[in-house]
Amino acid sequence: EDKVVQSPLSLVVHEGDTVTLNCSYEVTNFRSLLWYKQEKKAPTFLFMLTSSGIEKKSGRLSSILDKKELFSILNITATQTGDSAVYLCAVVGGGSNYKLTFGKGTLLTVNP
Amino acid sequence: NAGVTQTPKFQVLKTGQSMTLQCAQDMNHNSMYWYRQDPGMGLRLIYYSASEGTTDKGEVPNGYNVSRLNKREFSLRLESAAPSQTSVYFCASSGEAWGPQHFGDGTRLSIL
Repeated sequence: EDKVVQSPLSLVVHEGDTVTLNCSYEVTNFRSLLWYKQEKKAPTFLFMLTSSGIEKKSGRLSSILDKKELFSILNITATQTGDSAVYLCAVVGGGSNYKLTFGKGTLLTVNP
Repeated sequence: NAGVTQTPKFQVLKTGQSMTLQCAQDMNHNSMYWYRQDPGMGLRLIYYSASEGTTDKGEVPNGYNVSRLNKREFSLRLESAAPSQTSVYFCASSGEAWGPQHFGDGTRLSIL
């Protein structure tokens, strides 16, 4: 059975802190890993990673994938209260039939 | 600038009633998806349509049916609602199958 495990489940930090969110996975025929941010309503796409060791970066957010050790991290530097959200990791795998599995998410709270 | 539009936003049903959740996207995306999100369970894929004219089961398809009416629209039907189907339902679309997805704002469905 495919698994995607995110840690920690929740995290409280102060504005300006740097945080690292983790996503480990066990899937058949890995194809890609995606990160989403979910505030009150719809998840919004952050990054898609397919190749190991290549960092994706957008402003204060960055992410990297390690296909050998089967995990990804999402880093947020200089956190702001607007970064407070649930961060979701999803992995696409499968053979001839694709399969998508989401982790349960990490709830990040950034206090002023 | 609508993106993915879901209707209705809220609905209360009685056990045994039927209901269709509507989803439309205006981004000319090929692939569309239906998820449910429950506390502690994360997002789980119900059905997906990789391209117009095709639909496939996801992780939790039992009790649901879908119709890909055309490229823009993908509906989810509950034929005989059960309390276990109380959830928040999200529709999403992507340009390529299993690529970055754009989500609607969700439908909060309660079944009494």
